[in-house]
Amino acid sequence: AQTVTQSQPEMSVQEAETVTLSCTYDTSESNYYLFWYKQPPSRQMILVIRQEAYKQQNATENRFSVNFQKAAKSFSLKISDSQLGDTAMYFCAFVEGGSEKLVFGKGTKLTVNP
Amino acid sequence: DGGITQSPKYLFRKEGQNVTLSCEQNLNHDAMYWYRQDPGQGLRLIYYSQIVNDFQKGDIAEGYSVSREKKESFPLTVTSAQKNPTAFYLCASKGFDEQFFGPGTRLTVL
Repeated sequence: AQTVTQSQPEMSVQEAETVTLSCTYDTSESNYYLFWYKQPPSRQMILVIRQEAYKQQNATENRFSVNFQKAAKSFSLKISDSQLGDTAMYFCAFVEGGSEKLVFGKGTKLTVNP
Repeated sequence: DGGITQSPKYLFRKEGQNVTLSCEQNLNHDAMYWYRQDPGQGLRLIYYSQIVNDFQKGDIAEGYSVSREKKESFPLTVTSAQKNPTAFYLCASKGFDEQFFGPGTRLTVL
């Protein structure tokens, strides 16, 4: 069965600093997609960034970037220049190509302190 | 504006009652999903539907039922058979390979 593991239940960072959230996954497939979702206190799930497994280049979206290590099955999220609005739960998720089922990790609660 | 709506935002139920949570999308997506979120558990898949008049059980379907009579709508019924229904429920629809989420419904059993 596919699994996604987020080993850091909670993290905190000072405003303007950089923080990295960890995620590992387990699959025997070669075609899959990885996602980081953000859930702020409003509880609205928002897609932060996505990575296709066939792409070697790490995805970036403004202050958000990933370190995708396919052999190690690792997909960490780096947030640069942290802002107070980044305070949220962050979920790593994974779906195999052709599957309809998105598998989520248990989340990391990130607090950005002023 | 395109998006997903869920209603109500908060729902209270007495034990033994069935309740239905609404989910509507105008994104023209074929696939729709229901998730349950509990503290420390992440999101768990209840049911999903890839096309009208068809749906499949997810990982925790016991005590829930769904229908998909229209492409835009995917209501979830929480039945009295669900032993611990108090949770936050999220509906989603899928574009190419990305899921878009509604704002959620908080269900509390009194």
